Amino acid sequence: QSVLTQPQSVSGAPGQRVTISCTGSSSNIGGGYDVHWYQQIPETTPKLLIYGNSHRPSEVPDRISASKSGTSASLVITGLQSEDEGIYYCQSYDGSLRGVVFGGGTKLTVL
Amino acid sequence: EVQVVESGGDLVQPGGSLRLSCAASGFYDIYWVRQAAGKGLEWVSLIETSGDTYYANSVKGRFSISRENSRPYFHLQMNSLRPDDTAVYFCGKGVSGHWAIETWGQGTPVTVSS
Repeated sequence: QSVLTQPQSVSGAPGQRVTISCTGSSSNIGGGYDVHWYQQIPETTPKLLIYGNSHRPSEVPDRISASKSGTSASLVITGLQSEDEGIYYCQSYDGSLRGVVFGGGTKLTVL
Repeated sequence: EVQVVESGGDLVQPGGSLRLSCAASGFYDIYWVRQAAGKGLEWVSLIETSGDTYYANSVKGRFSISRENSRPYFHLQMNSLRPDDTAVYFCGKGVSGHWAIETWGQGTPVTVSS
């Protein structure tokens, strides 16, 4: 059972918009700790998509965005493309556990 | 280009020890994250540039993270290994000022089995 809760799967057609949620608690996201997002394509290493709740590394396209509110965070991908398929993880810091925590991952399928 | 390269993964018996190494291109905050086959990401440990260290509860007291002073090599000493420690172990460079990982290595596999 992950400290951060994500839906197991989401899907969308090419060109559509999808949202992946990440729900935490007052000891992590709700405690003011930043949320970060990663994409992992099977058989490859994770790739940082978003850090500090909403900041994109330069190589990440601007059709990928994220936000945080209360004890939850969301990753939004617009203009869905086949290359977006993979597993998406949210990550934060938990003050009670005093360490980094990951969500269980969400599998994105492009129909 | 920032790089991190892991090494040291192996097959080890339960109760045994193993030391993983991470060769980085500089002195950074370095994370270890593991992933069991077909499972999600699990944070293991962090060493900050300040030298402060952090551990997941699941490895606290068994694993130890360190770095060499003369070169940017970071190590994860793993003792009292258990079958549930079996995973691919990734080393990663942290984003300055954030508890996030911006550069990941290819991973090194650790199997704990008799």
